Amino acid sequence: EVVMTQSPVTLSLSPGERATLSCRASRSVGSNLAWYQQKPGQPPRLVIYGASTRAIDIPPRFSGSGSGTEFTLTISSLQSEDFAVYYCQQYNNWPPLTFGGGTKVEI
Amino acid sequence: QAQLVESGGGVVQPGRSLRLSCAVSGFTFSHFAMHWVRQAPGKGLEWVGGISFDGTRNYYADGVKGRFTISRDDSKGSVWLQMDSLRPEDTAIYYCARGQTRWDTWGQGTLVTVSP
Repeated sequence: EVVMTQSPVTLSLSPGERATLSCRASRSVGSNLAWYQQKPGQPPRLVIYGASTRAIDIPPRFSGSGSGTEFTLTISSLQSEDFAVYYCQQYNNWPPLTFGGGTKVEI
Repeated sequence: QAQLVESGGGVVQPGRSLRLSCAVSGFTFSHFAMHWVRQAPGKGLEWVGGISFDGTRNYYADGVKGRFTISRDDSKGSVWLQMDSLRPEDTAIYYCARGQTRWDTWGQGTLVTVSP
């Protein structure tokens, strides 16, 4: 099983600031990495797939990078609607499909 | 647009069974694999299992293998999660999600509580 580790657990920032979230895989997953955003009481929403491709309707302030075992989700200038929990997920070696523990981006 | 609606959640005693449904609309269901992902209260996301677009292959997480079964009926536009021998640790919101290995459309989820 590929273990996904996210850091930090919580990121405290202000609107307009840059957010940098990290995700590490226990072994290479190539570029088969997705990021999801989840707000309270809502299902997850796909943000990035293929490590760096934005999903439909995701604004360009979101960007993903990395390959192999190290990945980053960057939000260039935080908007109020971006405060949420973000999960990475690998889909290279499965089953099982595995998620990281999440990073909460809070004000 | 694509929509997924789960139903069937509720409170059930340990050892009992429950069947969740996911009704789909707004897209060609037969073209897509479908998965179930769960989230225990206050916790992160956990993949439960999935079924291929043609229904010929199933995949399960180790913790549910042998207890949970996923099926689909394209004519009904539905996918089901049959959960047997339920345990308290199965308590979670269960989401169905569209896609082979990463998911662009999710339902709102249905809450399953396993409690004496």
